[in-house]
Amino acid sequence: EVQLLESGGGLVQPGGSLRLSCAGSGFTFSSYAMSWVRQAPGKGLEWVSGIDGIVGSTYYADSVKGRFTISRDNSKSTLYLQMNSLRAEDTAVYYCAKDTDFDSRGSYPPTLFDYWGQGTLVTVSS
Amino acid sequence: QLVLTQSPSASASLGASVKLTCTLSSGHSSYAIAWHQQQPEKGPRYLMKLNSDGSHSKGDGIPDRFSGSSSGAERYLTISSLLSEDEADYYCQTWGTGIQVFGGGTKLTVL
Repeated sequence: EVQLLESGGGLVQPGGSLRLSCAGSGFTFSSYAMSWVRQAPGKGLEWVSGIDGIVGSTYYADSVKGRFTISRDNSKSTLYLQMNSLRAEDTAVYYCAKDTDFDSRGSYPPTLFDYWGQGTLVTVSS
Repeated sequence: QLVLTQSPSASASLGASVKLTCTLSSGHSSYAIAWHQQQPEKGPRYLMKLNSDGSHSKGDGIPDRFSGSSSGAERYLTISSLLSEDEADYYCQTWGTGIQVFGGGTKLTVL
């Protein structure tokens, strides 16, 4: 059974930093691109960042480019999101998501998502 | 620019059927999409991948009541025999070069 478990959310002051983690199990972690998606209170889903399985190519939404860094440790089957220079508008539930497509080369960017974590809440406030 | 457009809301009666629409922006009518369901206070759940020719592959455990179809730039999600648990937000998703795009979501009310 595929499982994704996020952690690391919490309350942080504007300008602060936070690192989110997403532990994957039930699938060959390195063979799938992974992504982070967020949802501000009462709003829709917003893609944040993605990373391929092995090569390490990364992709970012304009709203977080230069402030957030996505990475992964395939030996630990864990995805990370380092968030710096946080703003009030970054307040959201952050979900990690697994790609639908198996990628043996680990070089394909994210496409569509077939599994989601339960989410972790990040609140940016003074 | 790659954009997905959804109606903000829809409603249908218990036991009836409803068809939700996701429209791809001009020039992107060949794109596949995914449909996701988000029940109140829960995380999203993948329903299916839907191709431009209407073929679709559903996620694990998704009942036969959920089906997809396509026409041009339109992608549809049909839910038949509506249950109260189908009351949720429904999002479509697609991807482009280095980006992911979500529609604004449709809030489905089951009357």
